[in-house]
Amino acid sequence: EAGVTQFPSHSVIEKGQTVTLRCDPISGHDNLYWYRRVMGKEIKFLLHFVKESKQDESGMPNNRFLAERTGGTYSTLKVQPAELEDSGVYFCASSRRSSPGFSYNEQFFGPGTRLTVL
Amino acid sequence: QQPVQSPQAVILREGEDAVINCSSSKALYSVHWYRQKHGEAPVFLMILLKGGEQKGHEKISASFNEKKQQSSLYLTASQLSYSGTYFCGTEAAGNKLTFGGGTRVLVKP
Repeated sequence: EAGVTQFPSHSVIEKGQTVTLRCDPISGHDNLYWYRRVMGKEIKFLLHFVKESKQDESGMPNNRFLAERTGGTYSTLKVQPAELEDSGVYFCASSRRSSPGFSYNEQFFGPGTRLTVL
Repeated sequence: QQPVQSPQAVILREGEDAVINCSSSKALYSVHWYRQKHGEAPVFLMILLKGGEQKGHEKISASFNEKKQQSSLYLTASQLSYSGTYFCGTEAAGNKLTFGGGTRVLVKP
């Protein structure tokens, strides 16, 4: 099966501009996650979709970040306006539907989008 | 609160063993281990569930001490391909993973 794909692989923008990142999860995976890794630091959770619904967006830094998952398939993450501290690698991951309680929640990661804000 | 990984880095000769530790202050449902090579996606290695079940990968195994909320990843008879950064991800609730800071592993010939 095809893995998680992300577009673009790299993006260089200036402060104040808008960037939209896209993630295509593995087909049939209801769960979709966005994570971010700022250089030298840990991978941090941003938000979690179950199908098209936002299950948990507690990791979103501020209202400059907007994530959508229309139709429960691919997802976009828009940063508007971008700031210098938004630079980093944005990962998307997907997993199968969770069972009640907790799940054997193997998350498959995409290759990431490296965002540089100048 | 993110789990704490140790050591931060380790250098091995091919064939040597190593242990990477991951400690959490929260009660956990599961611990997940990933390996990431530079510029690539993190690759799933292991999942350890509350209750003792675990799934291994090649010669990499792991343990989960539920009382201490600690997990250890064992790299046995390391190969050159084991080089990379290892992350533990802990699941306390809600399926999201909270990752440790990573452990850089370099396996030399």
